Amino acid sequence: EPEVTQTPSHQVTQMGQEVILRCVPISNHLYFYWYRQILGQKVEFLVSFYNNEISEKSEIFDDQFSVERPDGSNFTLKIRSTKLEDSAMYFCASRESSGNTIYFGEGSWLTVV
Amino acid sequence: QQQVKQSPQSLIVQKGGISIINCAYENTAFDYFPWYQQFPGKGPALLIAIRPDVSEKKEGRFTISFNKSAKQFSLHIMDSQPGDSATYFCAARDYRGSTLGRLYFGRGTQLTVWP
Repeated sequence: EPEVTQTPSHQVTQMGQEVILRCVPISNHLYFYWYRQILGQKVEFLVSFYNNEISEKSEIFDDQFSVERPDGSNFTLKIRSTKLEDSAMYFCASRESSGNTIYFGEGSWLTVV
Repeated sequence: QQQVKQSPQSLIVQKGGISIINCAYENTAFDYFPWYQQFPGKGPALLIAIRPDVSEKKEGRFTISFNKSAKQFSLHIMDSQPGDSATYFCAARDYRGSTLGRLYFGRGTQLTVWP
């Protein structure tokens, strides 16, 4: 079964450093998303992306965050200057334009120290 | 503001029993209500989903009951098995911000099924 793949699975970074989380969405999917889950809390929407543009972003997705589709397969989330409160599991997700199901990757666990 | 409220926070059920998880919402613009299952260290995986024009949907041992007037929906797991032990999230989709939609998740229910 096709799946969303994410790298790295775990990253530890110092506060103030830049982090790039990478995702390869399912190949025929056109809609891409990033969600995050702080330990023990609910999954929260960050941003949606289509046709090389942000479609919607949440109040969490401030100027420190950016997304990019640098080539035909990768979808990245960049955090410019990490804060302690950015420590969370970040999930990439994708779906077909005609379907309802959003498929999530296994997540990238980010720890900011 | 909590868009989707989920209860209970944790649930312990004996093998063979029925697990029931409840969710409530306020936003009448929600148009799609999925349930996700999450095992430790894994991403959420779609379990079953329902549209608001249907009152019940069953897939195997999993059933969603949907009450549009009460703005409530629930997941029933029949004949619960130890392998069902996981965290379950209800969610609701809102299309108003963009055509891609965004999901609002409940806080999750940690289900433990004892053998």
